[in-house]
Amino acid sequence: DAGVIQSPRHEVTEMGQEVTLRCKPISGHDYLFWYRQTMMRGLELLIYFNNNVPIDDSGMPEDRFSAKMPNASFSTLKIQPSEPRDSAVYFCASSGKYRGTQYFGPGTRLLVL
Amino acid sequence: AQSVTQLDSHVSVSEGTPVLLRCNYSSSYSPSLFWYVQHPNKGLQLLLKYTSAATLVKGINGFEAEFKKSETSFHLTKPSAHMSDAAEYFCVVTVRGGGGNKLTFGTGTQLKVEL
Repeated sequence: DAGVIQSPRHEVTEMGQEVTLRCKPISGHDYLFWYRQTMMRGLELLIYFNNNVPIDDSGMPEDRFSAKMPNASFSTLKIQPSEPRDSAVYFCASSGKYRGTQYFGPGTRLLVL
Repeated sequence: AQSVTQLDSHVSVSEGTPVLLRCNYSSSYSPSLFWYVQHPNKGLQLLLKYTSAATLVKGINGFEAEFKKSETSFHLTKPSAHMSDAAEYFCVVTVRGGGGNKLTFGTGTQLKVEL
């Protein structure tokens, strides 16, 4: 298995632009998680899905952030409009069952200028 | 509420000497505890996990951790450090019940291994 796949690996954009991060979970996994990692706040859970349905989005920082999972093999995290404080590494993870081990992707390093 | 405290932000050891990375947890319910490792510019990899079975948990690459309820600790150890162990290590807690999927991460411990 290829593991969790994220794209792009690096993204540099200007303030105000829309940013879309993509994730392909491990095949057969029912849970998908989006995390953000910054020096100031460490690793934070933004949102997670079960069977393509958002279960908990309490970690999404504000309305500029949105996440979707149109099918079992694809999810997006969108920031519109982006701001410099959104600069971070965004990780996607997937899990095969409730409270199962979460497997992380390599992350997307986002820099908003 | 659940939380973890990693007591050292940086640990430096010599190659071949023991490693000890300290973690204390706080949880209202019986916790599940994990250690993840993150190498530079890489994702997080699971080292080991505790889910109420044996209190001494063995993981990959020679790491192990012991769950001590009386001390609310879950310290990570390795008898002999290798250069490839240099990375950042995260102690993670989750609780059973409705919040079981929500991982709470510690702030991380950067392990440096010197020759």
